[in-house]
Amino acid sequence: GAGVSQSPRYKVTKRGQDVALRCDPISGHVSLYWYRQALGQGPEFLTYFNYEAQQDKSGLPNDRFSAERPEGSISTLTIQRTEQRDSAMYRCASYGRGGQETQYFGPGTRLLVL
Amino acid sequence: GEDVEQSLFLSVREGDSSVINCTYTDSSSTYLYWYKQEPGAGLQLLTYIFSNMDMKQDQRLTVLLNKKDKHLSLRIADTQTGDSAIYFCAEKNPNFGNEKLTFGTGTRLTIIP
Repeated sequence: GAGVSQSPRYKVTKRGQDVALRCDPISGHVSLYWYRQALGQGPEFLTYFNYEAQQDKSGLPNDRFSAERPEGSISTLTIQRTEQRDSAMYRCASYGRGGQETQYFGPGTRLLVL
Repeated sequence: GEDVEQSLFLSVREGDSSVINCTYTDSSSTYLYWYKQEPGAGLQLLTYIFSNMDMKQDQRLTVLLNKKDKHLSLRIADTQTGDSAIYFCAEKNPNFGNEKLTFGTGTRLTIIP
């Protein structure tokens, strides 16, 4: 596609349920980043991939959060046993090399945990 | 450590210039960015500046970088109602290969008709 897409755009779930958030990056982009944005705050880094390899997961808040990118394209961020404090906008960005020094963001998934 | 700070709110009359300020702490940052966030939309890259530059102009947008004071500003000339949004500055992690961004809290720009 022409841009970064994310699905679902909105997710409402009950506390304790698992959720999976999907990111489809710009075709050919090597790097994929996940960020979390709480209300009234800027995005905060969670983790990133180069191709299928997870390079840095230092931003993941705890072991309920995990991410994968098995074929080096689409990525899934999974939150297990969701808690109310996980409610936020989850943003994905992809980054191409060899030219533009910029990350392109998707529309985000707004997660609400009840 | 990395910390990026912005004032939370700015109100400007339509037609005037808007100046949004940002301070950062990581002196080794290579690139600094301005993103725009409109309601219900994603983060839109507005412009960026490399750390060896003092100024960059792009149509109505002017970015000034004072590396000594670690101060970045975004000036929007002839502000219009469509400029109403939250503006985020961000710095890029200088470590080679890891392009993660550290964002400020965002400045909400309100246009007064």
